[in-house]
Amino acid sequence: QQQVKQSPQSLIVQKGGISIINCAYENTAFDYFPWYQQFPGKGPALLIAIRPDVSEKKEGRFTISFNKSAKQFSLHIMDSQPGDSATYFCAATVSGSARQLTFGSGTQLTVLP
Amino acid sequence: DAGVIQSPRHEVTEMGQEVTLRCKPISGHDYLFWYRQTMMRGLELLIYFNNNVPIDDSGMPEDRFSAKMPNASFSTLKIQPSEPRDSAVYFCASSRQGAGNTEAFFGQGTRLTVV
Repeated sequence: QQQVKQSPQSLIVQKGGISIINCAYENTAFDYFPWYQQFPGKGPALLIAIRPDVSEKKEGRFTISFNKSAKQFSLHIMDSQPGDSATYFCAATVSGSARQLTFGSGTQLTVLP
Repeated sequence: DAGVIQSPRHEVTEMGQEVTLRCKPISGHDYLFWYRQTMMRGLELLIYFNNNVPIDDSGMPEDRFSAKMPNASFSTLKIQPSEPRDSAVYFCASSRQGAGNTEAFFGQGTRLTVV
């Protein structure tokens, strides 16, 4: 019930291409879905987040698409750059609760120059 | 603010030894989380505190693990005795209670190697 399933485990994209990472959840009580970006040797950092009252949120080259009925959400990175190479984690939580994030398993993105 | 500060950054210890990891959360944050990251299991929540009180320690793997938060600016995660399977990166994170976005700020982690 608490799991967040993330795919793919790893992704290789050419510079300028689109990177797409998918996540699915089961707990319908989740109402806040952040994505975290982690560079080697660093802790995860919040990249972008969405609430289920909207189907899409865009910040620069990063877009979250949300499908409430399917209980799925995805991260799209447009015009992918080598500097985007990192591990990306989706997460979910119930806002107003104890802020306990349930993380996906992570996707290691490599953007080739 | 300097962010969440963890120490040490790297720790190498022998099996059976006691290990203590330290965390200073962001000032004003009232939630503190300890996570463990491994290739096999990803990011696992071990325990979290609210206003220095442990709320949920169901993620703590064994009695060998213990965590304390004696005040709002300091927390420790202790492993005694340590075992090779405890080798992982341990992250501390903090967040602030209130309406609005739920952002957890992570420290840079402590890479623990038990040999």
